[in-house]
Amino acid sequence: SQKIEQNSEALNIQEGKTATLTCNYTNYSPAYLQWYRQDPGRGPVFLLLIRENEKEKRKERLKVTFDTTLKQSLFHITASQPADSATYLCALVTGGFKTIFGAGTRLFVKA
Amino acid sequence: NAGVTQTPKFRVLKTGQSMTLLCAQDMNHEYMYWYRQDPGMGLRLIHYSVGEGTTAKGEVPDGYNVSRLKKQNFLLGLESAAPSQTSVYFCASSYLAGQTGELFFGEGSRLTVL
Repeated sequence: SQKIEQNSEALNIQEGKTATLTCNYTNYSPAYLQWYRQDPGRGPVFLLLIRENEKEKRKERLKVTFDTTLKQSLFHITASQPADSATYLCALVTGGFKTIFGAGTRLFVKA
Repeated sequence: NAGVTQTPKFRVLKTGQSMTLLCAQDMNHEYMYWYRQDPGMGLRLIHYSVGEGTTAKGEVPDGYNVSRLKKQNFLLGLESAAPSQTSVYFCASSYLAGQTGELFFGEGSRLTVL
């Protein structure tokens, strides 16, 4: 069956450290992979997109990698801040009109 | 610029009652989607629309109906609410489907069915 797996346990890190979140998928062949941020009681907000032929993408303090052989994406936040505390969602775009989401990983950054 | 607006934000229903959730977007997006979000399960696609007058089923369409009479509006209806439909519902829109079509989400509508 098709699955998207993100760490269900919350990630707790100290301010200034790099947070690394993992997204693994099975039985998909995504053309694109997206990452969203969701704050409590709010809708998800788009952060980054990476294509299947791209290994790495950066935007300010964010970095995403995409390994189609391992079927895995890593999402890094460098120099993390308490304001980065949120739930981060991985989403696969498999073609057509459907975007499939993982359950998300909650990140807590302590000051 | 309001983006994607959902109404109502909260609603409590009794089993068997009906209701409609309204989604409006002011970005002239072609594509609109309804998702539900449940703890530990992520966002699941209920129905979507690729343009005015069109609708299609997503991953979990049973018990829901939709309509897209105007490009800017996408309505989600529950004809006979069940406790299993207690969830947070998110509407989203995008300019392009798939590819670089980042989704713009509303703030959600929290529905409780007693």
